[in-house]
Amino acid sequence: QVQLVESGGGVVQPGRSLRLSCAASGFTFSIHGMHWARQAPGKGLEWVAHIWYDGSKKYYGDSVKGRFTISRDNSKHTLYLQMNSLRAEDTAVYYCARVKYNWNDYWGQGTLVTVSS
Amino acid sequence: QLVLTQSPSASASLGASVRLTCTLSSGHSTNAIAWYQQQPEKGPRYLIKVNFDGSLSKGDGLPDRFSGSSSGAERYLTISSLQSEDEADYYCQTWGTGIWVFGGGTKLTVL
Repeated sequence: QVQLVESGGGVVQPGRSLRLSCAASGFTFSIHGMHWARQAPGKGLEWVAHIWYDGSKKYYGDSVKGRFTISRDNSKHTLYLQMNSLRAEDTAVYYCARVKYNWNDYWGQGTLVTVSS
Repeated sequence: QLVLTQSPSASASLGASVRLTCTLSSGHSTNAIAWYQQQPEKGPRYLIKVNFDGSLSKGDGLPDRFSGSSSGAERYLTISSLQSEDEADYYCQTWGTGIWVFGGGTKLTVL
């Protein structure tokens, strides 16, 4: 069955960097686009970034553009999110999700990132 | 601007039906949307995609109690025979070229 397992979350100081990973299994990773989305405490879902199946195109939400970078390693079935210049408002649970056409048919359980001094 | 509007809360009794609404912003009334369910402390679960014409694409193993429909700029999620485990947050999502947007979510309470 499809499994997406995020890791790499934790507590980080403002201005520092963090890299999240999402290990995929149970499907052919290399043919699916992937998303990162996030959810601040007590808030709704926010789309963060999208990457094409082959990594050739990437899109970002306005709130993270220029600071976050999405990437993937299809040989390792792994999705990444490099987060730089972190701010308090980036505090959230970060989810990876598989893309089916344009929507997300499977999601991980999330990893919590807390930006605090 | 691509925006989805949802009512913050809804409630219905155990065994009854409820219809949740997601409204597309002006100029985007023909967009398809997807519905997700999020139970406390869990990742979202894909439920159903609703096209402008009302055609649907359901998630794997989704009970028949869940259905979708469309009218103009509104997309609906109907849950019948409500069960206690249906108490959750429900989000809609749509997309454009290089952009994906979620609605603010509806918290469903099963009375």
